[in-house]
Amino acid sequence: GQNIDQPTEMTATEGAIVQINCTYQTSGFNGLFWYQQHAGEAPTFLSYNVLDGLEEKGRFSSFLSRSKGYSYLLLKELQMKDSASYLCAVRDDGNNRLAFGKGNQVVVIP
Amino acid sequence: DVKVTQSSRYLVKRTGEKVFLECVQDMDHENMFWYRQDPGLGLRLIYFSYDVKMKEKGDIPEGYSVSREKKERFSLILESASTNQTSMYLCATEGQTEAFFGQGTRLTVV
Repeated sequence: GQNIDQPTEMTATEGAIVQINCTYQTSGFNGLFWYQQHAGEAPTFLSYNVLDGLEEKGRFSSFLSRSKGYSYLLLKELQMKDSASYLCAVRDDGNNRLAFGKGNQVVVIP
Repeated sequence: DVKVTQSSRYLVKRTGEKVFLECVQDMDHENMFWYRQDPGLGLRLIYFSYDVKMKEKGDIPEGYSVSREKKERFSLILESASTNQTSMYLCATEGQTEAFFGQGTRLTVV
């Protein structure tokens, strides 16, 4: 089975840094994805981690520790348009299916 | 540009109708997925397919079926629509290190 946990909501100020955590317990592991989803829209792919360490893409970075079953998404220099839900998803190595967390709602305030 | 296209953005159907949701991708990805997304429940996997004519049940397949006759097309079928199938339906495709969603179909069954 698979279990993926994310905190439900956080508020941060424009220009700040926010860290969104994701812990997982899965029977197999073959990669972890982060997505951004604005209200009423489909999720947009942000990053992929399969090895331990940090992947940086502009203002967004994603970190993975496979031994701890833990990942985080770091958002720097927050902008109002970053207000969205952030979804963590883990791919099982046995059947390639993706299991999603319920998402973390980030609200950016001026 | 990556393209995952779902046939309809909004759909209203009557109880008992047979409903077809189409998804087409142009990335030559083998893996394709159908999810539904409901408030408080997150993304739940209905069916997925990792090859033409192959299909696997996800977590909530009851009341649904799928068809994958060609690599680029993955169809979700509601055999007899019911009001509890009112939801946002999302198609996704996945390569080795990336995954993309279509724009979503908001289905209302009345």
